[in-house]
This record gives sequence, structure tokens and C-alpha cells, in this order.
Amino acid sequence: DAGITQSPRHKVTETGTPVTLRCHQTENHRYMYWYRQDPGHGLRLIHYSYGVKDTDKGEVSDGYSVSRSKTEDFLLTLESATSSQTSVYFCAISSTSVNTEAFFGQGTRLTVV
Amino acid sequence: DQQVKQNSPSLSVQEGRISILNCDYTNSMFDYFLWYKKYPAEGPTFLISISSIKDKNEDGRFTVFLNKSAKHLSLHIVPSQPGDSAVYFCAASLYGGSQGNLIFGKGTKLSVKP
Repeated sequence: DAGITQSPRHKVTETGTPVTLRCHQTENHRYMYWYRQDPGHGLRLIHYSYGVKDTDKGEVSDGYSVSRSKTEDFLLTLESATSSQTSVYFCAISSTSVNTEAFFGQGTRLTVV
Repeated sequence: DQQVKQNSPSLSVQEGRISILNCDYTNSMFDYFLWYKKYPAEGPTFLISISSIKDKNEDGRFTVFLNKSAKHLSLHIVPSQPGDSAVYFCAASLYGGSQGNLIFGKGTKLSVKP
């Protein structure tokens, strides 16, 4: 199994509070992604990174920011959590940007109350 | 606008029979397609892929077929086993550039009954 660790695995937070989710990899892969999974929507890309300090927006980036200061860590921050951000968040990594599979973490279940 | 569509939310088959999961796409620029399998409370895991230069790729019990003219791909599982019960996501990749993200369908939940 690819070495991807997401933390925390579960979190309940209140509306308006900041939340940071962490993705840590031991594979030295260049590309890292944050997805959210919601019923009826499948997996949707929030942000991705193509190198240290190189990030870009995905399909559903509003309300989220990311940072990648080291190859192994990719942080997803909700500056002010809203109930619509209640979801399961998955981090993924890949060694190249095209024609390759991505390896996913086990997910973080976030509930905003 | 949904670029990758899995129109069947669920599929139920008998153990030993064939499972066929379908996926349609709208963007002709996609040139690499993947299937992921997801069990509850776990992350998706890669199952099989196909490049647009091929029309078939086989890996054990799993075969993916690509029909570019119809913008359609399908995953065949033969024979189906109870352990195959999971949600299957079709995904497509755009070639080139640094935007290496995958665009996923909504998934099809497969139930294989003993």
C-alpha cells in the first residue's frame, strides 16, 4: 500500500471555526490532491499540488486553501467552516500528472455543526 | 456540466455471473481512463486503466472496453464474487500540462449476491 496518512480521521467542528486537515506521504510523489466525496457527486477535486509551494485550484475550491511547504505534506484549510463543507475528504498522490493511477488515503470525515 | 457520467447508481448480480459497469464521457480530450473501487470507510483503490490508443485492457477477472466514437467505456467483471461488492468509480484524465487531476463519475454501487 502507498504510504499516505490522513489526519485526523474524524472531526466534528462548529460553524465558523478554522479547520486544517493534513495529508502525509512517504512515497516522495510529486503530485498531491485533495478531493471531497459527497452523496450524488462522487469525488470532486478541491485543490492539487504539482510541487513544493506549487498549488492550483480544482473544481470546488471556494472556501478552501492549501499549502505544501514540504514534499511529504499537503495541508487543506477551511478558514471558516460551514455546514456545506461537511463531507469526507480524501487525499491522493501520484508520481506523474498523466497516464497514471493515483493512490488515495483512507479519508477524513468532517462534520460541521 | 458533468463530464464523466455513470448513469446507473446501483447494480446487483449473482455470484459467478458477469458484472458490467458503464461510463460515458463528454470531453473528447480525455485520453486516459481509470476505474477505482471503493469499500465503505476506505479510500478508493486503483483497479484498471486504459489508454485511448487501445480499445481493451484485461487484468485477470477485470476487463475494460473503450469505445471512443461513442465516448463510452465499460468494466466487465467475470466471474463476479461477493468480495467485488463495492462502489466503482470511473475516472478520466486530461493529457498534458500540470493539471493532472482526475475527473470522476458519481459511482456505481455493485452488489454481488451469493
